[in-house]
Amino acid sequence: DAKTTQPPSMDCAEGRAANLPCNHSTISGNEYVYWYRQIHSQGPQYIIHGLKNNETNEMASLIITEDRKSSTLILPHATLRDTAVYYCIVRVRQGGSEKLVFGKGTKLTVNP
Amino acid sequence: DTGVSQDPRHKITKRGQNVTFRCDPISEHNRLYWYRQTLGQGPEFLTYFQNEAQLEKSRLLSDRFSAERPKGSFSTLEIQRTEQGDSAMYLCASSATKTQYFGPGTRLLVL
Repeated sequence: DAKTTQPPSMDCAEGRAANLPCNHSTISGNEYVYWYRQIHSQGPQYIIHGLKNNETNEMASLIITEDRKSSTLILPHATLRDTAVYYCIVRVRQGGSEKLVFGKGTKLTVNP
Repeated sequence: DTGVSQDPRHKITKRGQNVTFRCDPISEHNRLYWYRQTLGQGPEFLTYFQNEAQLEKSRLLSDRFSAERPKGSFSTLEIQRTEQGDSAMYLCASSATKTQYFGPGTRLLVL
C-alpha cells in the first residue's frame, strides 16, 4: 500500500505558483520522499527528492516539514505544460530490494 | 537520446498469445525495475534487478510472467497465455543510485 496521501485534483492559474501537498505520516527515518509527474500516456518523469532538508532544482522546490510527516511540491511559475498527474512517493527499501510505491497522485490542471 | 528505451511502444495481441517486451536501461545503470500501470491508477511494482540478479518479484507477477536481465544490460518481460486483464502500460525504469528514471512504456492491449 502507498505510504502517501494526496488530494485527487487541483487547479492552478498559468503563471502562478502551484503548491501540491502530500501526507506521509508513517514514513521511516531513512526513507526518501520522491516526486514524479506523468503527462498523459508517457512514462513518469522525475522531479525532485528529499530526506529532511528542503530541496530546490530547476524544476521545482520541495518543502519537508520538520517532523517529516508531510511535504509540499512547489512549481514556482506554472505553465500549461505542467498539467499532469503528480505523484508523491516514499522510496521503500527492504532487505536487498527497493521500489517506489505509487498512490493515485494529484491531477494538476493549469488553466490559461 | 540516452534515456531508458522500451520496445515496442504499443502491442495488440489476442488472448492466449505470448508477448515479450524489451527494456534498454540508461548506460551503466546497474538497477532495473518493471512496473505495470492500469487506467486511472499509479504504477505498480513488478520486479527488481540488480545487475543480472532478480532480487524481488511482486505477487502481481504470476507464473505467466517472467523477466530476465542476461548479462546485466537489457531486460525482457514475457507474458505467456495473455489474458484481457493483462491489458496495461508496462513501464521500465533504471537507476545507478537512488533515483529511478522511467522509459516511455509499452502499452499492451489484449483482445
